[in-house]
Amino acid sequence: QQPVQSPQAVILREGEDAVINCSSSKALYSVHWYRQKHGEAPVFLMILLKGGEQKGHEKISASFNEKKQQSSLYLTASQLSYSGTYFCGTGDSGAGSYQLTFGKGTKLSVIP
Amino acid sequence: NAGVTQTPKFRILKIGQSMTLQCTQDMNHNYMYWYRQDPGMGLKLIYYSVGAGITDKGEVPNGYNVSRSTTEDFPLRLELAAPSQTSVYFCASSFGSGTGAYGYTFGSGTRLTVV
Repeated sequence: QQPVQSPQAVILREGEDAVINCSSSKALYSVHWYRQKHGEAPVFLMILLKGGEQKGHEKISASFNEKKQQSSLYLTASQLSYSGTYFCGTGDSGAGSYQLTFGKGTKLSVIP
Repeated sequence: NAGVTQTPKFRILKIGQSMTLQCTQDMNHNYMYWYRQDPGMGLKLIYYSVGAGITDKGEVPNGYNVSRSTTEDFPLRLELAAPSQTSVYFCASSFGSGTGAYGYTFGSGTRLTVV
C-alpha cells in the first residue's frame, strides 16, 4: 500500500526549515528518501533501516519511528538547490525489501 | 561510470504498436527495476529482477514484459501500446541483499506518448 506523504506541497524562503512526513499502514523495515528535480530522474538522498540510527549529512537529515510506521525528512536552512519533489519509498519486510513502494511526493519550492 | 543508461529519451507510438525500452547499467548491481511515473502519482513498480534470469511482477505489470539475460541489461517490452501506457518510464538498479539497505540509482527516463 502506498505510503502517505505530507504536506503535498510547501513553499519556503531561503534559510527557512521544512519537515516532510511519510506514513505507512504497514510495519516498515526500511525507508528511502529521494529528490527529483523537474524533468530529471530521482536522486537517492538517504536510507533508514529498522533499528538503525537517524541518518543525515549537512543540512538534510531524517528519522524513522518504527512504532508509528513513520519517517520524517528535515531540511535545515533551505537553499534554492533544495527545490524539487521529495519521495519516500518504503519496504515492509526484511526478506522482501527489494521492492519499494513510493509515496506521491512532496513538492518543495524555495524562493529567494 | 555512466551509471544507468536508458534509451530512447522520447518516443511517440501509435495505438497497437510495440516497442522495447532499453536499460543498461555498469555498476554491477544485481537488482534492477522498471517504474512508471504519472503526474501526481509517484512511482509505480512494473517489473523487477534480482539477478540474471530472474524476473518478477511489480504492482502494474499488465501490458509489459521483461527479460534479464545479463547482469547489465534489463529491457522493457510494450506489446500492443495503449493510451493508458502514456507515461515516463524509469529504470533503476541497486545492490541488494533482501534487506532494502541500498539506495537506487535511476536512469534519466523515457517519455512515452501513445496516440
